[in-house]
Amino acid sequence: ELKVEQNPLFLSMQEGKNYTIYCNYSTTSDRLYWYRQDPGKSLESLFVLLSNGAVKQEGRLMASLDTKARLSTLHITAAVHDLSATYFCAVDYAGGTSYGKLTFGQGTILTVHP
Amino acid sequence: GAGVSQSPSNKVTEKGKDVELRCDPISGHTALYWYRQSLGQGLEFLIYFQGNSAPDKSGLPSDRFSAERTGGSVSTLTIQRTQQEDSAVYLCASSLITRYTEAFFGQGTRLTVV
Repeated sequence: ELKVEQNPLFLSMQEGKNYTIYCNYSTTSDRLYWYRQDPGKSLESLFVLLSNGAVKQEGRLMASLDTKARLSTLHITAAVHDLSATYFCAVDYAGGTSYGKLTFGQGTILTVHP
Repeated sequence: GAGVSQSPSNKVTEKGKDVELRCDPISGHTALYWYRQSLGQGLEFLIYFQGNSAPDKSGLPSDRFSAERTGGSVSTLTIQRTQQEDSAVYLCASSLITRYTEAFFGQGTRLTVV
């Protein structure tokens, strides 16, 4: 059974600081996704990572994927309050050589304060 | 429509009643997912439909839960004899599986069992 684990689960940051959220997964997959969820809202797609070494950046967020280590990171640079949300990673693996089934991590609740 | 549409957005039901939750995916998307999100919890996979393949029902928590997808489009999640522990937000997502599976989520149905 595929397991996806994020850490930390709770992250309180000061504005202007940097931090990294980690996403570990238990089976081979080269397809990983990051989502953002604001309170009371649905999930918004942030990044699609499709190969080993993939790096994507959008504003203050940068995501990377190391398929050998089965690890993805979401790095936050110079945090601002607007980044406060819950962040989920999801791994795309349906067994064997099949894809299309998404398994999510537990989510990381990020709070950025002055 | 432009996005994944779910109805109703909110549903309050009495314990023991049956409920039906509807999901209208993005037109042309071959994959459809149902997830459940309880207060403060992550995303619990329920069921996954992919094209004409048999659905992956491995996440359904009990035989009170069932789902169908008619004509490869609209899906209905049915919960029979609802219990209080069924209270959660039920999220539907759809994706177009080509090289990858970027899932787009609906706004969810908040189910409250009283």
